[in-house]
Amino acid sequence: QLQLQESGPGLVKPSETLSLTCTVSGGSISSSSYYWGWIRQPPGKGLEWIGSIYYSGSTYYNPSLKSRVTISVDTSKNQFSLKLSSVTAADTAVYYCVATLAEGSHWGQGTLVTVSS
Amino acid sequence: NFMLTQPHSVSESPGKTVTISCTRSSGSIASNYVQWYQQRPGSSPTTVIYEDNQRPSGVPDRFSGSIDSSSNSASLTISGLKTEDEADYYCQSYDSSIHWVFGGGTKLTVL
Repeated sequence: QLQLQESGPGLVKPSETLSLTCTVSGGSISSSSYYWGWIRQPPGKGLEWIGSIYYSGSTYYNPSLKSRVTISVDTSKNQFSLKLSSVTAADTAVYYCVATLAEGSHWGQGTLVTVSS
Repeated sequence: NFMLTQPHSVSESPGKTVTISCTRSSGSIASNYVQWYQQRPGSSPTTVIYEDNQRPSGVPDRFSGSIDSSSNSASLTISGLKTEDEADYYCQSYDSSIHWVFGGGTKLTVL
């Protein structure tokens, strides 16, 4: 069964870069059966799509975040990652990694990232 | 781009049926698949409906999805409500560039 686990710093300073990694188990990051993505949820608010990456390497980003976001895959570690630059307090949220396949999406448990000095 | 609009909250009694709507602001609701996610308090979302009306394995058949072109909306219907169904529900679709678009979420109270 596919499982995803987010990891990374829980606290990031304003203007710095937020970096998170999602480790995939129970499936191959290189498989054409899935595509991978990141979604975030500010405390008490709704879901916001950040971006997605396909097995081909193609990436798609939320236009409102595009200038600050990079999503990449590390096939040797079966991981994919998120980098969000120039963060502000508005980027404080629970960040989820997500795998989408034919039968819907699987979500990681999420990790809270707080932007504060 | 378009927006997906959901009611902020709905409530219903155990054993009853509730329907949550998701209205697309522009473009046809039928042009891109709609998914529904359940998020229980303190948990990550899970898929309850994908591709408009398909249920992942393990999701009870009390959950069903549909789309209505006349109202340009999608609906999630939960029958035989249980207290465990109390959660936030989000609809999600895609724009033409494969970008995900989420509705604002609906809080379901079962009382």
